[in-house]
Amino acid sequence: EPEVTQTPSHQVTQMGQEVILRCVPISNHLYFYWYRQILGQKVEFLVSFYNNEISEKSEIFDDQFSVERPDGSNFTLKIRSTKLEDSAMYFCASGQRNYGYTFGSGTRLTVV
Amino acid sequence: SQQGEEDPQALSIQEGENATMNCSYKTSINNLQWYRQNSGRGLVHLILIRSNEREKHSGRLRVTLDTSKKSSSLLITASRAADTASYFCATDGYGGSQGNLIFGKGTKLSVKP
Repeated sequence: EPEVTQTPSHQVTQMGQEVILRCVPISNHLYFYWYRQILGQKVEFLVSFYNNEISEKSEIFDDQFSVERPDGSNFTLKIRSTKLEDSAMYFCASGQRNYGYTFGSGTRLTVV
Repeated sequence: SQQGEEDPQALSIQEGENATMNCSYKTSINNLQWYRQNSGRGLVHLILIRSNEREKHSGRLRVTLDTSKKSSSLLITASRAADTASYFCATDGYGGSQGNLIFGKGTKLSVKP
C-alpha cells in the first residue's frame, strides 16, 4: 500500500527558531496538503498545493508559513520564527477529491 | 460554523458488539469521509461517500449519508479490541477546493476484550 512519509516524527525547537517539516507524498499524486492538530483539538486544514503553487490556504496559514516542493518527491512546510502556539501534530496528505486522501503519520512539533 | 460534529464523543463497548457513530454537518458537501486515528498516530482513510450516494460498505464498515438531514453514520460490526481508536468524519464542501476537509472532534471508541 503506497504511503505518505513524514520526517521527523518529533521535533523540539526553541521559540523563535525556524523549522522545516518534510513529507514525501505518494508518487503519482498531484495534490498535496498540510493539516495540523493541536493536542485535544480538531484536525485543521492549513494549505493545499498543486502544480507547484498554493491552491488554497486557511486563515491559520499566515506569513509565518510557507510550502515548497524543492524536487520531484519532497513537499515541505516551513514555519519561520516559531511560537509556543505552533506546538501541534502536523500532517501531510496527498490525494484527490472523491478518492480520499492518504495522510502521513505526522510530525509532532514541540516549541519550548 | 461548525462542520462535521460527531456524537457520541466517547463510546465504550464489548468485543463483538456493533459500534455506531454519527456525524452532522451544516453546509452542502461534495463528499463525506471517515478517518480513524490511533492514539498519537496518523489519520487512516476508511471510507468516502459521495453526496449522491446513500450507503456504502467496506468490510465490517457501513456508512450512510442523509443529505436532507445533513448527517452520516458509521457502523462497525462485530467490533474487535483492535478497533479501539478515535474516528473522525470530514466533509469536503461543495464548491470548495480540493483537500480542504473540515474535520469533527471525533468519537473515541474503546472496545473491551
